[in-house]
Amino acid sequence: EVQLVESGGGLVQPGRSLKLSCLASGFTFSNYGMNWIRQAPGKGLEWVASISSSSSYIYYADTVKGRFTISRDNAKNTLYLQMTSLRSEDTALYYCARWNYYSRYFDFWGPGTMVTVSS
Amino acid sequence: DVVMTQTPVSLSVSLGGQVSISCRSSQSLVHNNGNTYLSWYLQKPGQSPQLLIYKVSNRFSGISDRFSGSGSGTDFTLKISRVEPDDLGVYYCGQGTQYPLTFGSGTKLEIK
Repeated sequence: EVQLVESGGGLVQPGRSLKLSCLASGFTFSNYGMNWIRQAPGKGLEWVASISSSSSYIYYADTVKGRFTISRDNAKNTLYLQMTSLRSEDTALYYCARWNYYSRYFDFWGPGTMVTVSS
Repeated sequence: DVVMTQTPVSLSVSLGGQVSISCRSSQSLVHNNGNTYLSWYLQKPGQSPQLLIYKVSNRFSGISDRFSGSGSGTDFTLKISRVEPDDLGVYYCGQGTQYPLTFGSGTKLEIK
């Protein structure tokens, strides 16, 4: 059974940093691209970042480019999102989601981890 | 960036009824390889989104045939027939043709 479990969320002050993790199980992690997608309270879905299976290709939304870094450790079956210079508008539930490369969709999502940026 | 516009914002349907949700993209979603990467997701209350349909009309594993997708180019539709109580939630379309990946703003389905 595919499982994705995010962690690392919490309350952080504006301008500070936070690192999210997503532990994957139930599939060969190193064969799949992965993504971070966020959802602000009461709002829709916003794609944040993507990383290919071997980390060769990385993409970011303009809203986080230069502030967030996506990475992965295939030996640990873990996806990361390093977030710096956090802003109030980064407050959201952050999901990790597996990417189907051939048909280009998100096929499994974790339950999410909440990030609240506030003083 | 590809802007995805969903209509309606919300709709209410009786059990057993049928509904359609529209999703339009600001650019063609036909990839250079000829495929169209348009997907539909359902977010049930308090849950993570789940994949329903991919590549316009392909149902994901385990998804009921009451859900069907259609369309081409920039105009797409999700149809739900014989609506059941478990169908309530917010439906999102999403495009995987080009980066940045984008979603529609969602359509909330309520049961009368």
